[in-house]
Amino acid sequence: DVKVTQSSRYLVKRTGEKVFLECVQDMDHENMFWYRQDPGLGLRLIYFSYDVKMKEKGDIPEGYSVSREKKERFSLILESASTNQTSMYLCASSRGTGNTGELFFGEGSRLTVL
Amino acid sequence: QKEVEQDPGPLSVPEGAIVSLNCTYSNSAFQYFMWYRQYSRKGPELLMYTYSSGNKEDGRFTAQVDKSSKYISLFIRDSQPSDSATYLCAMIDMDSNYQLIWGAGTKLIIKP
Repeated sequence: DVKVTQSSRYLVKRTGEKVFLECVQDMDHENMFWYRQDPGLGLRLIYFSYDVKMKEKGDIPEGYSVSREKKERFSLILESASTNQTSMYLCASSRGTGNTGELFFGEGSRLTVL
Repeated sequence: QKEVEQDPGPLSVPEGAIVSLNCTYSNSAFQYFMWYRQYSRKGPELLMYTYSSGNKEDGRFTAQVDKSSKYISLFIRDSQPSDSATYLCAMIDMDSNYQLIWGAGTKLIIKP
């Protein structure tokens, strides 16, 4: 069974703290994505990666960075968390080059910044 | 105006009813239309995937695409309480590096 695993389901952090969200996929997929999901706004793309050490900005990259040192692992970093980054964060992966429609998602990481 | 419009609901219907979920879009470069289902506290999962105008059926689910009207629908027949979830439409923007464009999602509640 294919799997995308996000390291933390629930996190509570304080304003200004550094936050790491980790994502691992076991499908040997080339593409990996980080989204945030907020009520009424749907899924918004933060960053994505087509290959190891490659990264591309999505629609809302401000305040975030990413790291992809290994094919199976894609990390999202909040250098200095702020309250407006309280959200559900979803990692996804897909096969092939370019962006395809069939994404496999993790269960999400719900981050609360106080 | 959002590129993809989807009524957020919630949409509440009795068990056994036929459900119609809809999305409209404005950009004719959008192709490859998808419906994802997201259960509470879970990530979305792909439910149906279609390209051409017309209908595609999979069990109790039918995806319909009308490119001339820029309108897509998902029909659920004989709805079950287990169908209660948020349904998100998504489509690929062929003019923007094949980016996925998402609707906001419709929360569906099937009452036993």
